[in-house]
Amino acid sequence: SQQGEEDPQALSIQEGENATMNCSYKTSINNLQWYRQNSGRGLVHLILIRSNEREKHSGRLRVTLDTSKKSSSLLITASRAADTASYFCATDGGSGGSNYKLTFGKGTLLTVNP
Amino acid sequence: DGGITQSPKYLFRKEGQNVTLSCEQNLNHDAMYWYRQDPGQGLRLIYYSQIVNDFQKGDIAEGYSVSREKKESFPLTVTSAQKNPTAFYLCASSPDRGYGVFYEQYFGPGTRLTVT
Repeated sequence: SQQGEEDPQALSIQEGENATMNCSYKTSINNLQWYRQNSGRGLVHLILIRSNEREKHSGRLRVTLDTSKKSSSLLITASRAADTASYFCATDGGSGGSNYKLTFGKGTLLTVNP
Repeated sequence: DGGITQSPKYLFRKEGQNVTLSCEQNLNHDAMYWYRQDPGQGLRLIYYSQIVNDFQKGDIAEGYSVSREKKESFPLTVTSAQKNPTAFYLCASSPDRGYGVFYEQYFGPGTRLTVT
């Protein structure tokens, strides 16, 4: 079963605009991670946020986590054509679950038009 | 993709044949994983291994087998028992951050398997 579900499924924006993707999950977690996948390639780890953190930044990326709503958002600011990719959230098993077995959502396909 | 190699990039097989996908990592990571990705879908876990000579079934292990004889290698065999083997297969590894805690996963470039 899929723990994380990204929303929207697809997002198309112009270069320079901000892109926001959301992830909802069902059970408790220790950490939530975001990954990027360029077409036909492997996934690349972007950022990890722990369950006791509310916000985290990395370059043009900003991730928020609301454990009461079981949701996370990924904001990419000042988007570039090179940001075109699929973005996945991944959650671990939470307390009592496996900390190394991740469950991935179906992803958001982001298209940044030049 | 650095540090994890998967070969070949594209693989074609006839139905009824077993096929083995290679995954090698030089990152000295303890944990390794195999995922399957179908078009427009997320990743589904096939098998994972936390240490050498030990592995566990993931969510969709039926029709697949693995071995972990060396830390750096985790080959996946797609057997003829797998009903729909055509898919994109991704291998990943993860470092032990201490006390058996693993966080981020590092992925290989993937192998696209087509069975006709």
